[in-house]
Amino acid sequence: GAVVSQHPSRVICKSGTSVKIECRSLDFQATTMFWYRQFPKQSLMLMATSNEGSKATYEQGVEKDKFLINHASLTLSTLTVTSAHPEDSSFYICSARTLAGDTQYFGPGTRLTVL
Amino acid sequence: AQKITQTQPGMFVQEKEAVTLDCTYDTSDPSYGLFWYKQPSSGEMIFLIYQGSYDQQNATEGRYSLNFQKARKSANLVISASQLGDSAMYFCAMNRAGGFKTIFGAGTRLFVKA
Repeated sequence: GAVVSQHPSRVICKSGTSVKIECRSLDFQATTMFWYRQFPKQSLMLMATSNEGSKATYEQGVEKDKFLINHASLTLSTLTVTSAHPEDSSFYICSARTLAGDTQYFGPGTRLTVL
Repeated sequence: AQKITQTQPGMFVQEKEAVTLDCTYDTSDPSYGLFWYKQPSSGEMIFLIYQGSYDQQNATEGRYSLNFQKARKSANLVISASQLGDSAMYFCAMNRAGGFKTIFGAGTRLFVKA
């Protein structure tokens, strides 16, 4: 099946710093990638839809200036958490949709801890 | 608006037995897709099975089958011959045909007993 990677898998940072998370589709092109956030023992919450070559579409309540998304190519999307605070600590998961189908393939996730 | 409901927060099953995880959905879209994902403790989301709303037959993938009852708006996952490695969180999900915005249910944690 299609493979999606995320880097880093874990990151610990100090409050006030910015953290960049990369999401790559390794063996297919993805015009659309999605970024999710998951709190412990909860479901996935869609943060934004990332479209190659255009601005991301953010879900209601998600601060676009805090969570910067760039989809520079058909295989790479990045999420930057700016001026991170402890409440931003969470599990961030990206997914990519293949050009042909409706199925999304997920990355392994990035666990962010802000001290 | 679309909605996914998983009413079983936790389920236990004996190894080698079959188990059904419930999922009901609500949508006004005529065309949609239904998915099941497995999330082990490592956190990765593993795609299991897909059912299109116009598919005539229930989807099957190895030990996984999706019991799709359109009139009842249910899309239950059946896992046959459970294995210890099946212990994980399972999410039912749905999106509008075209692959955009997927919504997830609250999840069901499955415990497989030896």
